[in-house]
Amino acid sequence: EPEVTQTPSHQVTQMGQEVILRCVPISNHLYFYWYRQILGQKVEFLVSFYNNEISEKSEIFDDQFSVERPDGSNFTLKIRSTKLEDSAMYFCASSSDRVPNYGYTFGSGTRLTVV
Amino acid sequence: GNSVTQMEGPVTLSEEAFLTINCTYTATGYPSLFWYVQYPGEGLQLLLKATKADDKGSNKGFEATYRKETTSFHLEKGSVQVSDSAVYFCALSRQAGTALIFGKGTTLSVSS
Repeated sequence: EPEVTQTPSHQVTQMGQEVILRCVPISNHLYFYWYRQILGQKVEFLVSFYNNEISEKSEIFDDQFSVERPDGSNFTLKIRSTKLEDSAMYFCASSSDRVPNYGYTFGSGTRLTVV
Repeated sequence: GNSVTQMEGPVTLSEEAFLTINCTYTATGYPSLFWYVQYPGEGLQLLLKATKADDKGSNKGFEATYRKETTSFHLEKGSVQVSDSAVYFCALSRQAGTALIFGKGTTLSVSS
């Protein structure tokens, strides 16, 4: 079964440093997403990406965040200057646009720890 | 706005007990509804989904029926196992390509 692959699985970074989280979505999916889950809390939407541009973003996704699809396979989330409160599990997801059978497939996540 | 409300956990059951986790939603139009499961230390896995009213999603003995009249999508299983211990998230999507909106999650703990 096709998978969404995320790397690294765990990253520790110093406060103020830039981090890039990487994802390889399912190859025939058109929509890409980033979500985060602070430990013990709900899964929160950050941003969606379609046709090489952001299609939707939440209030969490401020100027410190950016997304990019640098080539035909990778989808990245960059945090420019990490803060302690950015510590969370970050999930990448992708989806097809084919209603009614579309579904969202999530990667296994990157645990980001900011120290 | 669009939102999902799940019953508060944790839910603690003995093996072979009947499970219900309540989920209600608020949305414009006709959203698609999902249940995701997160096992300890792992990511989110799609458990089942329903894309229109009266659809029943099912997988691994779990079922949920899309009830538009009550705006609900309750998760049920007739006989839970220890291996079902996990966090269960109800979610909705307004349409293809839009963000999933999650409930807060319900922790299920099953003991033998």
